[in-house]
Amino acid sequence: SAVISQKPSRDICQRGTSLTIQCQVDSQVTMMFWYRQQPGQSLTLIATANQGSEATYESGFVIDKFPISRPNLTFSTLTVSNMSPEDSSIYLCSVRGGSTGANVLTFGAGSRLTVL
Amino acid sequence: GENVEQHPSTLSVQEGDSAVIKCTYSDSASNYFPWYKQELGKRPQLIIDIRSNVGEKKDQRIAVTLNKTAKHFSLHITETQPEDSAVYFCAAEGGGTSYGKLTFGQGTILTVHP
Repeated sequence: SAVISQKPSRDICQRGTSLTIQCQVDSQVTMMFWYRQQPGQSLTLIATANQGSEATYESGFVIDKFPISRPNLTFSTLTVSNMSPEDSSIYLCSVRGGSTGANVLTFGAGSRLTVL
Repeated sequence: GENVEQHPSTLSVQEGDSAVIKCTYSDSASNYFPWYKQELGKRPQLIIDIRSNVGEKKDQRIAVTLNKTAKHFSLHITETQPEDSAVYFCAAEGGGTSYGKLTFGQGTILTVHP
């Protein structure tokens, strides 16, 4: 499976600020996704990061709040904008495929955001 | 869209016993069903998966069964060990435009007592 580097691993943020999370993959992958995991909860898909075009957002998530970039097949960023305490979550980058070619979903280590 | 229900939410067993976690899904076009294990503070890790062209798959102490007609699938862990203690998530991949996207169940906290 792919090796995914995600940063920051954790951060404490002030209400109203924005934070950008970076995801770097060790090989070119077609599918990259961003998930959110609220404390003690399951994983919820935020959006699919599309290379060279706008991300595809799931119901309940909008571009103004979670802008996503995907400039190439190995890198993506997720920004959490105008944060509030309700945005305190773990944000996980994930990819399908990767260096071994296996068609499975692999997760990064996650970015744990705490908003005060 | 796809909806995945997972039961039970918590499961406590004695070491050596078996554990079974069940999931149902709503999208009849779904054809890929992975299971993830998440240890405290760690990322979810794939432990086993099954595709719709088979009814059962086994990997050592772990097995998954799939009933496409009833739209449910289950994870079976035999001879449980304390290191099996974790949160387990089932997921389903939708068909059509949802290809590649996983919908996760709510999770099961498995505790294996020595």
